[in-house]
Amino acid sequence: AQSVAQPEDQVNVAEGNPLTVKCTYSVSGNPYLFWYVQYPNRGLQFLLKYITGDNLVKGSYGFEAEFNKSQTSFHLKKPSALVSDSALYFCAVRGNYGGSQGNLIFGKGTKLSVKP
Amino acid sequence: DAGITQSPRYKITETGRQVTLMCHQTWSHSYMFWYRQDLGHGLRLIYYSAAADITDKGEVPDGYVVSRSKTENFPLTLESATRSQTSVYFCASSADRTYTFGSGTRLTVV
Repeated sequence: AQSVAQPEDQVNVAEGNPLTVKCTYSVSGNPYLFWYVQYPNRGLQFLLKYITGDNLVKGSYGFEAEFNKSQTSFHLKKPSALVSDSALYFCAVRGNYGGSQGNLIFGKGTKLSVKP
Repeated sequence: DAGITQSPRYKITETGRQVTLMCHQTWSHSYMFWYRQDLGHGLRLIYYSAAADITDKGEVPDGYVVSRSKTENFPLTLESATRSQTSVYFCASSADRTYTFGSGTRLTVV
């Protein structure tokens, strides 16, 4: 069965430092991978996705993620963190519900805290 | 405005009452989904719909009912609310492997 793991409940980073939010996945077949961000009392906002092609995916707000097939990972990164990046981050993989479109299966989320 | 909207944003209801959460999208996407978000569980799929009049169960469907008579609307009904259904509910629509979420409904069952 498809699954996603986010091993860290919280990540703390100083402003200006690089940040990494980890994600590993388990799928049968080729994975479709996604990152979303959720600010307090808001919905989920799309950051980036990997479907096929270049392993390094660039997304919104300066975020990027690297697809690593051998390690089954899709870590989210940003070279220089901002205080405004503080939020809850979700990794997701396409699941089997929903026919050809598929649903999203989410990790439990990682809270990112960026301190000035 | 184009997008996906959920109503109400906040709802408090009593145990045993029926409550309906609304979801409306303006893109005419075929696929729509309902998720619930709970601490420690992330988001879990309740129901999904592939088109008007086509719906199916997700991971946690018990206690919920959906309908989709029109492509743009996908209401979620709790037939007899229980405290375990206190949660934040998100609706999403999808096309071409892009998924867009509504702002959510925070439901409290007392």
